[in-house]
Amino acid sequence: GAVVSQHPSWVICKSGTSVKIECRSLDFQATTMFWYRQFPKQSLMLMATSNEGSKATYEQGVEKDKFLINHASLTLSTLTVTSAHPEDSSFYICSARVGSLGTGELFFGEGSRLTVL
Amino acid sequence: GEDVEQSLFLSVREGDSSVINCTYTDSSSTYLYWYKQEPGAGLQLLTYIFSNMDMKQDQRLTVLLNKKDKHLSLRIADTQTGDSAIYFCAGKGARQLTFGSGTQLTVLP
Repeated sequence: GAVVSQHPSWVICKSGTSVKIECRSLDFQATTMFWYRQFPKQSLMLMATSNEGSKATYEQGVEKDKFLINHASLTLSTLTVTSAHPEDSSFYICSARVGSLGTGELFFGEGSRLTVL
Repeated sequence: GEDVEQSLFLSVREGDSSVINCTYTDSSSTYLYWYKQEPGAGLQLLTYIFSNMDMKQDQRLTVLLNKKDKHLSLRIADTQTGDSAIYFCAGKGARQLTFGSGTQLTVLP
């Protein structure tokens, strides 16, 4: 199947710094990518939909100035957590759509664990 | 919006069958999915079922859908220790997938 890769897998940073997480579709082009956040032992919460060449669509309650999303090419979307604080510590997962979502063609990255000290 | 609920924990013995249940609220969900998440990893699509189907079988996996009761289940036959993971069901609403809370499956030797 299609491969979606995230980098870094694990990042620890100091409070107040910014962290960038990359999501790449390795063997297909993805016009749409999704960013999720997962708290321990909880489900995934959709943060935003990333559209290549246009602004991301954020879900209600997600601060767009805090979580900057850039989808500059058909194979790369980035999520930047700006001025990170300990409450931003979480597992961030991206997914990319292959073809139509309705056929189940949605592939997930391995996830990036962010710990803010 | 869509609400998807699952029981949180399930333990079975190796070789037994596991049945993970899920209920959802949005009857217009056209597709329903099962994902597997191993520790520290992303989600892996296991299988999906279209809303006009009652059952789908794929090797050791059987998905049952009861549209009237809005109930979805995943049966894993001959459960192995490698099946230990968190299993998420998800429903496709108008714009996005909505995930259940996940069921932690523990397979005991």
